[in-house]
Amino acid sequence: AQSVTQLDSQVPVFEEAPVELRCNYSSSVSVYLFWYVQYPNQGLQLLLKYLSGSTLVKGINGFEAEFNKSQTSFHLRKPSVHISDTAEYFCAVSESYNTDKLIFGTGTRLQVFP
Amino acid sequence: DAEITQSPRHKITETGRQVTLACHQTWNHNNMFWYRQDLGHGLRLIHYSYGVQDTNKGEVSDGYSVSRSNTEDLPLTLESAASSQTSVYFCASSERRTGGNTEAFFGQGTRLTVV
Repeated sequence: AQSVTQLDSQVPVFEEAPVELRCNYSSSVSVYLFWYVQYPNQGLQLLLKYLSGSTLVKGINGFEAEFNKSQTSFHLRKPSVHISDTAEYFCAVSESYNTDKLIFGTGTRLQVFP
Repeated sequence: DAEITQSPRHKITETGRQVTLACHQTWNHNNMFWYRQDLGHGLRLIHYSYGVQDTNKGEVSDGYSVSRSNTEDLPLTLESAASSQTSVYFCASSERRTGGNTEAFFGQGTRLTVV
């Protein structure tokens, strides 16, 4: 069975600083990986996804993530954050065959301070 | 524009009552999902459907049921509401692709309180 671990429940950072949100997964088969963002009182929206090919994936709002198969990681990064990036971020995984359902991590709350 | 809508947005109900949360999507997606979001647990899958008349249990399905009579709707029913079911519920839909490489679109959520 697959699982997703987001070790950091909260990440405080000052505006314009870089940030990394960590995500590790476990699976016995190949996977697809996703990052979703949830702004206050809203649903989730897709930031970026890794399906195949280049291990560095670029998403919306200046975010990027790198897939590392040997370390089973898919960490999310942004070189310079804004106040508006304050939100909850979820890493998710789905098997690369047999299913379209997503398994989510517990989320990381990014709090950007001025 | 296509969208996915949930209703109601907020609901307070009493223990033991039956409650139904609505989810309607105009994406014409075959896949639909119900998740619950709780602090410290992230999103956990309750039920999902890959098409009309198809329903499947997720990891936290006890006490919940769904039915899929058309493509657009997947209502979630709490048979006898319990305080442990106080949560925020999200519906999502995605295009059916064998292979998992499909983006899910989420509704705004329903905040359910069981008193």
